[in-house]
Amino acid sequence: AQTVTQSQPEMSVQEAETVTLSCTYDTSESNYYLFWYKQPPSRQMILVIRQEAYKQQNATENRFSVNFQKAAKSFSLKISDSQLGDTAMYFCAFMKWGPVLDDKIIFGKGTRLHILP
Amino acid sequence: DGGITQSPKYLFRKEGQNVTLSCEQNLNHDAMYWYRQDPGQGLRLIYYSQIVNDFQKGDIAEGYSVSREKKESFPLTVTSAQKNPTAFYLCASSPGSNQPQHFGDGTRLSIL
Repeated sequence: AQTVTQSQPEMSVQEAETVTLSCTYDTSESNYYLFWYKQPPSRQMILVIRQEAYKQQNATENRFSVNFQKAAKSFSLKISDSQLGDTAMYFCAFMKWGPVLDDKIIFGKGTRLHILP
Repeated sequence: DGGITQSPKYLFRKEGQNVTLSCEQNLNHDAMYWYRQDPGQGLRLIYYSQIVNDFQKGDIAEGYSVSREKKESFPLTVTSAQKNPTAFYLCASSPGSNQPQHFGDGTRLSIL
């Protein structure tokens, strides 16, 4: 069974700084997706970034980028030039690439990120 | 605008009552999901449905039931058998295989 581990329950950084959130996962699959979701105080879940395991290039979305290390099963999220609106709970998630019935996403327990003014 | 609508936003249940949480999507997505989130915890899958008239149990299905009679609707019933129902419930949908999920705004259920 797949597992996703986020070892940092809570982090705080000053506005405009760069912060990295850690995520490791365990799987025997070779094809899969990894995601970072953001859950602000409004509780809405928002997809931040996705990475296909077969792609060696790290995904980037504006100020958000990942460091995907497939051999190490590591998938960290870097937020550059952090903003107050980045304050949220961040969830790392894993999804196996396969038939429709295997479409479940496995979530980590989350990292609560505080951006300080 | 397309999206996922969960209602109500807040729901209160008396002991021994069944309550139903609504989830409607107009994204034409095939797959729909229900998650439970407890304070300080990640999301745990309750039920999911990949197609109309079919659904599968997730990791914590006991005390819950669902139906999928229409593509756009996936209501969740929290039965009296669920002994600790107080939580935040999130509904999600996706276009299908190998696609990320999109989430509704959630329903907070509390016990009176």
